[in-house]
Amino acid sequence: AQKITQTQPGMFVQEKEAVTLDCTYDTSDPSYGLFWYKQPSSGEMIFLIYQGSYDQQNATEGRYSLNFQKARKSANLVISASQLGDSAMYFCAMREFSSGNTPLVFGKGTRLSVIA
Amino acid sequence: DVKVTQSSRYLVKRTGEKVFLECVQDMDHENMFWYRQDPGLGLRLIYFSYDVKMKEKGDIPEGYSVSREKKERFSLILESASTNQTSMYLCASSLSPARRAELFFGSGTQLSVL
Repeated sequence: AQKITQTQPGMFVQEKEAVTLDCTYDTSDPSYGLFWYKQPSSGEMIFLIYQGSYDQQNATEGRYSLNFQKARKSANLVISASQLGDSAMYFCAMREFSSGNTPLVFGKGTRLSVIA
Repeated sequence: DVKVTQSSRYLVKRTGEKVFLECVQDMDHENMFWYRQDPGLGLRLIYFSYDVKMKEKGDIPEGYSVSREKKERFSLILESASTNQTSMYLCASSLSPARRAELFFGSGTQLSVL
């Protein structure tokens, strides 16, 4: 069974600083994908970044990057130059591929607060 | 842009009522999902569907059922609402079978069962 662990219920970061949100996962499937979503107070879920288990390089999307350490089964999200608008819930999620089209499984989330 | 529309943003129902939560997507996605979101528990999968008239149980299907008569519409049914079903319900859709197919979410329905 797959499992996603986000150990930080809440975090604070100063505006313009970088912040790392932790995510570890558990799977025996060698083929899987990792996703990060952002949920602002408005409630919408916004896709941020994706990392495949066989991708050679760590994924980056603008100010978001994924620190993928396969041996440690971690997929931490790094946000550079934090902005006030980054204050939100952040969810890590995983999908296994070897069993076919399986659904995303989410972690419990981390609430990030950016301080001016 | 993909649009996933949930019929109600807020809903208040009484214990024992039959409740229908409707979800429609406009991008011809094969896959549709229902999650519930509770503080401290994240998103938990209730049911999902990979095709019309098919459904699969997720992690917490008890007390729920679903219907998918048309590709674009996926309905979540609470046969007899209970107070422990008070929650935020999120519908999502995705293309199949792309591996990195991201989920597109609706804006959610906050259901209160009194």
